[in-house]
Amino acid sequence: DADVTQTPRNRITKTGKRIMLECSQTKGHDRMYWYRQDPGLGLQLIYYSFDVKDINKGEISDGYSVSRQAQAKFSLSLESAIPNQTALYFCASSPGRGPTDTQYFGPGTRLTVL
Amino acid sequence: EDKVVQSPLSLVVHEGDTVTLNCSYEVTNFRSLLWYKQEKKAPTFLFMLTSSGIEKKSGRLSSILDKKELFSILNITATQTGDSAVYLCAVRIYNQGGKLIFGQGTELSVKP
Repeated sequence: DADVTQTPRNRITKTGKRIMLECSQTKGHDRMYWYRQDPGLGLQLIYYSFDVKDINKGEISDGYSVSRQAQAKFSLSLESAIPNQTALYFCASSPGRGPTDTQYFGPGTRLTVL
Repeated sequence: EDKVVQSPLSLVVHEGDTVTLNCSYEVTNFRSLLWYKQEKKAPTFLFMLTSSGIEKKSGRLSSILDKKELFSILNITATQTGDSAVYLCAVRIYNQGGKLIFGQGTELSVKP
């Protein structure tokens, strides 16, 4: 069973539409993250959350918002999608235990904005 | 500005070859360095390195960190076609706890 799940796995939408990507984790982790991956750019951090009440902007948060509905759920929204937000989006979680903390990734959501 | 740079960006080898992937970094408040393997899905964790000079090994893969020269290498010996993937290096910094800064990745292709 997957510990970090993302829905949908693929989405095609049009410019200007509002999109929500969902992430759930069953590992009981406090920390959750959203990344986007573009070819040749590696993973870029969009938002991260230390716990339900603590949400922080990452490196490329403009155009995105998030909601931490519960410890296990962290959703990413694009209020008005634009074509340069076409990318592969990953959610991750981690327990936050000092130097040995490791992030566990979901399978990814491929988003295409036309 | 914190950054992580990987080289080469892509590499093609034949089965049985040994490869070395490089990761250099310039960050404030270094905490740890992680290597991930990404096939056509989510990255999977390979190694975490926090101390210089201590080699981590897992089968044919090994990695080492040099905190003085600010780099890490990932070695893969006796490569197999199943090693074909993108290998990601990421550095965790102390402030903004848990934040990982990723390199661009090295795309490795192993030919039969």
